[in-house]
Amino acid sequence: DQQVKQNSPSLSVQEGRISILNCDYTNSMFDYFLWYKKYPAEGPTFLISISSIKDKNEDGRFTVFLNKSAKHLSLHIVPSQPGDSAVYFCAATSNSNSGYALNFGKGTSLLVTP
Amino acid sequence: DGGITQSPKYLFRKEGQNVTLSCEQNLNHDAMYWYRQDPGQGLRLIYYSQIVNDFQKGDIAEGYSVSREKKESFPLTVTSAQKNPTAFYLCASSIDLVSVAFFGQGTRLTVV
Repeated sequence: DQQVKQNSPSLSVQEGRISILNCDYTNSMFDYFLWYKKYPAEGPTFLISISSIKDKNEDGRFTVFLNKSAKHLSLHIVPSQPGDSAVYFCAATSNSNSGYALNFGKGTSLLVTP
Repeated sequence: DGGITQSPKYLFRKEGQNVTLSCEQNLNHDAMYWYRQDPGQGLRLIYYSQIVNDFQKGDIAEGYSVSREKKESFPLTVTSAQKNPTAFYLCASSIDLVSVAFFGQGTRLTVV
């Protein structure tokens, strides 16, 4: 049963606009969340993370928002650039409960058009 | 250079043969993982290891086996019992289970 869900398989955004990628989780033990970016035939690369003690974390053009009550997080990319076109994976684990490995969603394919 | 090395990048095997995928890291990480990626399925966890000589099954361990005899190595064997072995396999490592995981470049396994 999928514990981390990314319900939008794809997203198309114009260059310069905001990209918003969403992620939902079902396991209330998850308290550390990460976003990875992946190009075809390569391994994912870490983008940004957030702990459940915060509701926002910002790193340059990337901001992750966490809504614990809704078990929902989102990644905002502003402004979007063509080089951001990739598959974005949301992942979750538990800091407070040992034995959890990173649990990934199915990914959202982002296309940023010029 | 520190990193995770998966070899080979492409691997072809005949149906019914076991095959072992290599994963080596020189990051001094305790935790290592194997994921499988199929189209539309995201990354699914096969096995993971928190420490040397210990490993745990992930969500789709059937038909796979691993060993963790050395901290830097976590080879994955795809056995003939795995019904759909053709996939993109990703190895990762992290300081521990609650730290950022770093991935290798992947191995594309095709079974014919």
